[in-house]
Amino acid sequence: AQSVTQLGSHVSVSEGALVLLRCNYSSSVPPYLFWYVQYPNQGLQLLLKYTSAATLVKGINGFEAEFKKSETSFHLTKPSAHMSDAAEYFCAVSDRGSSNTGKLIFGQGTTLQVKP
Amino acid sequence: DAGVIQSPRHEVTEMGQEVTLRCKPISGHNSLFWYRQTMMRGLELLIYFNNNVPIDDSGMPEDRFSAKMPNASFSTLKIQPSEPRDSAVYFCASSSSGGAGTDTQYFGPGTRLTVL
Repeated sequence: AQSVTQLGSHVSVSEGALVLLRCNYSSSVPPYLFWYVQYPNQGLQLLLKYTSAATLVKGINGFEAEFKKSETSFHLTKPSAHMSDAAEYFCAVSDRGSSNTGKLIFGQGTTLQVKP
Repeated sequence: DAGVIQSPRHEVTEMGQEVTLRCKPISGHNSLFWYRQTMMRGLELLIYFNNNVPIDDSGMPEDRFSAKMPNASFSTLKIQPSEPRDSAVYFCASSSSGGAGTDTQYFGPGTRLTVL
């Protein structure tokens, strides 16, 4: 079975500072991993995904994530935070035990606060 | 593309009433997911369909909840009778499941349900 754990339910950074949101996964098969963002009063939208190609994945809005098998991690980073990055971020793993019907297993989410 | 369409966007009802939430997935997508989001429980998968067939309804909280997908372009989630603890934001998402597990889920804007 697959699962993800997001470390830290709330992260606060200053505008211009590095953003680091942590995600660790557990999977008995090579995982497919996703980061989604949810802005206030909106649905989730895809930031980026890892599907076993390059281990460093670049996404929208300057975000990137690196797949590290040895650490079972898929942390999300952005070099310089912007006020518009304030949102909730979800890490997810594809449930490859469900006949690959597209089911994702989501983490509990991390709220990113950006201070001026 | 219009994206995933959900209606209504907001619903306020009284305890005991029947509530029906509607979802139109992105054309051509063959997997559809219903989620519930609350502050206490986070994002929960309620049920999902593949090719209009319910695959896993283990997340449906109780018999008061039911979901249907009569065709590829329409799904409903019904709560009867509704209770105050059902108050939440309900999201519908769809994906084009090619069987590889790498598919992106596209979320609708959600229905905010308040049960008084």
